[in-house]
Amino acid sequence: GAVVSQHPSRVICKSGTSVKIECRSLDFQATTMFWYRQFPKKSLMLMATSNEGSKATYEQGVEKDKFLINHASLTLSTLTVTSAHPEDSSFYICSASRQDRATYEQYFGPGTRLTVT
Amino acid sequence: AQSVTQLDSHVSVSEGTPVLLRCNYSSSYSPSLFWYVQHPNKGLQLLLKYTSAATLVKGINGFEAEFKKSETSFHLTKPSAHMSDAAEYFCVVEDNNDMRFGAGTRLTVKP
Repeated sequence: GAVVSQHPSRVICKSGTSVKIECRSLDFQATTMFWYRQFPKKSLMLMATSNEGSKATYEQGVEKDKFLINHASLTLSTLTVTSAHPEDSSFYICSASRQDRATYEQYFGPGTRLTVT
Repeated sequence: AQSVTQLDSHVSVSEGTPVLLRCNYSSSYSPSLFWYVQHPNKGLQLLLKYTSAATLVKGINGFEAEFKKSETSFHLTKPSAHMSDAAEYFCVVEDNNDMRFGAGTRLTVKP
């Protein structure tokens, strides 16, 4: 079945540094990828929709200059948390849309836990 | 580690009839459970969540789910399906700061 990977699975960084998270669709091409963040016991929050070859669409309240999204190819989207602060510590999940057949399917990555110290 | 099983990959109902989407989970601790809906090319939308309060949880759009610890289930129901309910539904379990998604159930609503 289709697989989406995220790298790294866990990362600890110091306040003020930047962190890049990769989301890859391993055996299909994904024209659209979604980025979410989640706090413990809370629901997922959609951050942005990433379309290959175009600028990401950010949800209201999400700082596009802080959370840089690049979807340079049909199998890779990256989320860069710039100048990270402790409040950016969270669980980040990506998902990828597969639409190369008659049906539309969605696959989720395993998530990346970011801790900013 | 926790896991989630959505027992049906595809459910088809007629408009106006009840909806049942099944979800079973395994967890070592006290989990939080969520149901999300996703329409094509849209992000996930939270339907409802269980976080150790009332076992019968009411969500948006007439959906509800009951947490049954003895059966390790968190099935999603709605008394009367609407055409706009046609979408993909995901059951998610969060436990000990880790999250697992079910494979999803595609709901089709026939007129």
